[in-house]
Amino acid sequence: DTAVSQTPKYLVTQMGNDKSIKCEQNLGHDTMYWYKQDSKKFLKIMFSYNNKELIINETVPNRFSPKSPDKAHLNLHINSLELGDSAVYFCASSHGRDEQYFGPGTRLTVT
Amino acid sequence: GENVEQHPSTLSVQEGDSAVIKCTYSDSASNYFPWYKQELGKGPQLIIDIRSNVGEKKDQRIAVTLNKTAKHFSLHITETQPEDSAVYFCAARVNQGGKLIFGQGTELSVKP
Repeated sequence: DTAVSQTPKYLVTQMGNDKSIKCEQNLGHDTMYWYKQDSKKFLKIMFSYNNKELIINETVPNRFSPKSPDKAHLNLHINSLELGDSAVYFCASSHGRDEQYFGPGTRLTVT
Repeated sequence: GENVEQHPSTLSVQEGDSAVIKCTYSDSASNYFPWYKQELGKGPQLIIDIRSNVGEKKDQRIAVTLNKTAKHFSLHITETQPEDSAVYFCAARVNQGGKLIFGQGTELSVKP
């Protein structure tokens, strides 16, 4: 019954590695987002997809690449991980520009 | 650029008291203002929102007011309970693709 789910919940990895975070929503929404929450809890949007098309691409390093295989899924792949990438990453979804619903988050720790 | 300022950063109240959190936004074209509650270890949860054609909205113990002229909006929680303790975020939607700009968050602590 989970509306927006993310895997994994925790991810610990070393600098230089490549990792992916997966997101799925079962709300029938057509728009999905990735947000980053830093250690001071500041939430900032990274990407947004509408019907598998990229519509928001904030100033994010090229090492971050989102992929949307279908409307219900939005994955985030991160290459060459750096210490500064440590954060909690949240996926969210909405119907168009309506209310956004967030997933439980993925805590990424880069050592 | 687009910005949302939120105050206070921390707020401590006694159970039963009211709590007020204030936000100001910079983009005058913003037309949608949601409030989220984030409990420890969880994702932000939408608790109430208001659109620019409305000045006030209430849902049980929670209310939000919007002053478009002054570009500020506030969250009011009455009869606070310990389970209201969490971090609260305001946000404003800007025109670009429905992007939400978040405030810095307010850590609310309700003491029994």
